[in-house]
Amino acid sequence: QLQLQESGPRLVRPSDTLSLTCSVSGDSISRSPYYWGWIRQSPGKGLEWIGRIYFSGNTYHNPSLESRVTMSVDTSKNQFSLKMTSVTVADTAVYYCVRHLMVVVMDYWGQGTLVTVSS
Amino acid sequence: EVVMTQSPATLSVSPGERATLSCRASQSVSSNLAWYQQKPGQAPRLLIYGASTRATGIPARFSGSGSGTEFTLTISSLQSDDFAVYYCQQYNNLTPTTFGQGTRLEIK
Repeated sequence: QLQLQESGPRLVRPSDTLSLTCSVSGDSISRSPYYWGWIRQSPGKGLEWIGRIYFSGNTYHNPSLESRVTMSVDTSKNQFSLKMTSVTVADTAVYYCVRHLMVVVMDYWGQGTLVTVSS
Repeated sequence: EVVMTQSPATLSVSPGERATLSCRASQSVSSNLAWYQQKPGQAPRLLIYGASTRATGIPARFSGSGSGTEFTLTISSLQSDDFAVYYCQQYNNLTPTTFGQGTRLEIK
């Protein structure tokens, strides 16, 4: 059974960098043709797709966030990561790591982690 | 950006009855439409993609239809486990993916 688990700081200061890692178990992230990625959910903005990454390192981000987002993959650890720079209170949300069944359709989700941006 | 509008915001239906949820796109997204179910404290769960294809393990009582700008999720014979929030998502290749604001399905 495929499982995804987010980890990282729950509290981030404004203007700092948000860093999250997703650990995948039950399957290899190198298995084609799946992409992996991130999505967030907040009361104000609802569900907002952040981006996806292939095991080769090929990425695609939401244009609205692209300049602040970096994604990476570590196949040796079966993990992938998200970094978001210059965060503000508007980036406070539950962050989910996901597997993409196709394009940006997400069929497996982590349990989610609430990240709060506050001083 | 394609704006997705779901209606109604809240739908009250009795167990055993049929529920019909609507999703409208501000421009055509062809059949690039997915539906998700979310229960309190849980991550969303993929139900339907390609407007009408059920995801793995999804019961046949869930069905999706539509194309272009108008889409429907139908849940026949509602069970207690089906009361949740439902979201639609468009993934037209030429625009960033966007979600509707959700329809809360509650027990009548």
